[in-house]
Amino acid sequence: ETGVTQSPTHLIKTRGQQVTLRCSSQSGHNTVSWYQQALGQGPQFIFQYYREEENGRGNFPPRFSGLQFPNYSSELNVNALELDDSALYLCASSLGPGANTEAFFGQGTRLTVV
Amino acid sequence: DQQVKQNSPSLSVQEGRISILNCDYTNSMFDYFLWYKKYPAEGPTFLISISSIKDKNEDGRFTVFLNKSAKHLSLHIVPSQPGDSAVYFCAASDGGNQFYFGTGTSLTVIP
Repeated sequence: ETGVTQSPTHLIKTRGQQVTLRCSSQSGHNTVSWYQQALGQGPQFIFQYYREEENGRGNFPPRFSGLQFPNYSSELNVNALELDDSALYLCASSLGPGANTEAFFGQGTRLTVV
Repeated sequence: DQQVKQNSPSLSVQEGRISILNCDYTNSMFDYFLWYKKYPAEGPTFLISISSIKDKNEDGRFTVFLNKSAKHLSLHIVPSQPGDSAVYFCAASDGGNQFYFGTGTSLTVIP
């Protein structure tokens, strides 16, 4: 059974650029959630994808967008990067969309915007 | 607006003693609570959970207590071991599709 993997592990981008982060969900999981963890904070929900459709969104602007593919892997895209987007981005996969379903997290992608 | 709060950023405990990590929440609609443990350079790992219909759940050395009237939960680790040193996040759900996380408590277990 493969776990949740994210790529890349670290990334440095310039303000105004665009970035794509990738997540491979755990085998058998059809739901992927993305979280942003700023320094000294807890993870904040960005959005969730269930069977290739967005299934809920947190308080993040539209320049944060995502995709889920038929194999349930997922991408997080951020346009027009701002310095405050610097954070650890976590992907979590689960067997279903309900939050009462155990979520398995990847190791995260550390994004630095300069 | 932080709906889940962990007011102690750090905690140090001697090996073998009890570690108690606290968490408060403000949303009375939360009905499911979890604790995650996070080591550096790794993602959070699920530790233990509790439904709002219970006031205690135990799994080995880990016990979570829920006080709904006080909107408070705590994680007890007995006995504490050096390998328990990590950041612990409390999280809550209102039955929707997201977890609301606290800011974490860094636990150090001193050998």
